[in-house]
Amino acid sequence: QKEVEQNSGPLSVPEGAIASLNCTYSDRGSQSFFWYRQYSGKSPELIMFIYSNGDKEDGRFTAQLNKASQYVSLLIRDSQPSDSATYLCAALPGDYGGSQGNLIFGKGTKLSVKP
Amino acid sequence: KAGVTQTPRYLIKTRGQQVTLSCSPISGHRSVSWYQQTPGQGLQFLFEYFSETQRNKGNFPGRFSGRQFSNSRSEMNVSTLELGDSALYLCASSFDTYNEQFFGPGTRLTVL
Repeated sequence: QKEVEQNSGPLSVPEGAIASLNCTYSDRGSQSFFWYRQYSGKSPELIMFIYSNGDKEDGRFTAQLNKASQYVSLLIRDSQPSDSATYLCAALPGDYGGSQGNLIFGKGTKLSVKP
Repeated sequence: KAGVTQTPRYLIKTRGQQVTLSCSPISGHRSVSWYQQTPGQGLQFLFEYFSETQRNKGNFPGRFSGRQFSNSRSEMNVSTLELGDSALYLCASSFDTYNEQFFGPGTRLTVL
C-alpha cells in the first residue's frame, strides 16, 4: 500500500507569516507531486505541482521536492486568513493505477491563519 | 474552458434506495476518477474510467458501480444505500492517467 503522510494539524500561523506544510511519501518511484487546497465544504482545488528536485515558485506559494528524502513541502508566504483551509498533498506513483487510483492522497493538513 | 461539473449537488435518500450521480469532465479530458470523502477518512478512491473503460477500481463493495460514455461524461451508481454511504462524492478529470486531476464541486449525499 503506497502512502502519503501529512501532519493533520491544525497548523496555526499569524497573518503575514510563512506557513510550512510538509508531506512524505512511501513510493520511491513517485515522479510528480501535487498540492490541493480544500476549503470547508468545498472540493479540492489544484494549486501547484512539482516533479523536479528543488523549488518551484508561483506567487506566494513555493513547492519544494527532495526525492532522496521522499519529502515534499509547500510554503505559503505572507499568509492571509483566506489561506485557511485543508491542504492535500498527492503523489503520482511510479506504477500508477490499481486499487488506490492514479493519485495517492494524504489526509491533509488543516491550516488556520489568524488575523 | 469550463470546469468539471457534477449533478446533482445535493441528494437526500433513505436506506435501501439507489442513487445515480453524474460528472461531466473538462472538455478534452478522457480520464474521470471518482472519490468518496468523509470526515476524517480523506479521499477514498472509487474507480477510474478512461475512454469508456474502467481502468482501476478501489476497495468498495459491488454496490458501487460506474460507467463512462463516449463523450467522456461519467455516472456512478450506488445501490441499496446504507447510512455509511453518506459522504461527499467527488469526480476529477484529467487529460490522461498521469496528469494532474481537476475536481468538480461534488455531490453531497445524505442517507437517512
